[in-house]
Amino acid sequence: DQQVKQNSPSLSVQEGRISILNCDYTNSMFDYFLWYKKYPAEGPTFLISISSIKDKNEDGRFTVFLNKSAKHLSLHIVPSQPGDSAVYFCAARNQAGTALIFGKGTTLSVSS
Amino acid sequence: DTGVSQNPRHKITKRGQNVTFRCDPISEHNRLYWYRQTLGQGPEFLTYFQNEAQLEKSRLLSDRFSAERPKGSFSTLEIQRTEQGDSAMYLCATSRGANEKLFFGSGTQLSVL
Repeated sequence: DQQVKQNSPSLSVQEGRISILNCDYTNSMFDYFLWYKKYPAEGPTFLISISSIKDKNEDGRFTVFLNKSAKHLSLHIVPSQPGDSAVYFCAARNQAGTALIFGKGTTLSVSS
Repeated sequence: DTGVSQNPRHKITKRGQNVTFRCDPISEHNRLYWYRQTLGQGPEFLTYFQNEAQLEKSRLLSDRFSAERPKGSFSTLEIQRTEQGDSAMYLCATSRGANEKLFFGSGTQLSVL
């Protein structure tokens, strides 16, 4: 059973607009959430993270929102740029901190 | 940081052969993880080391898989008697400690014919 779910396999956005990528999780023991970005033929690269004690974290154009009651988090990219086109993975860590559990990813395409 | 280095980048092998991959971590990163990624899936955890000790193995890691990290530096992942279902990208990631973000290598793409 998937503990981290990204239900949208793909998202297309125009340059300059907002991109919103969603992630749901089932395990209430997760205490830390991360977003990774992956380009073809490269390993995932860390983008932004949020602790379960917070509901928002912002870093430049990237903001992550966490709704613990709904077990839902989202990544907002504003404004979107063509270079943001990549696969975005949501990941969660349990309190034991042993390993990250990843969703299946969402492919973001930003057109100019 | 010179980054996490993985070799080879690509490996094509015939079913039944053994293969070995290598991962060189960022220096002073004491945690090292192996993940596997197949098409349309996110990275799936296989195993991790803290220094030279292998602390956890996923049930995905069958008896044909073995990983080592001698002296707590580089790590190797060996697959014996490869099967077509082993075809995947094998990713190595390292971190400074338990609650630090992971830095991934570029992966080794394995194709079993």
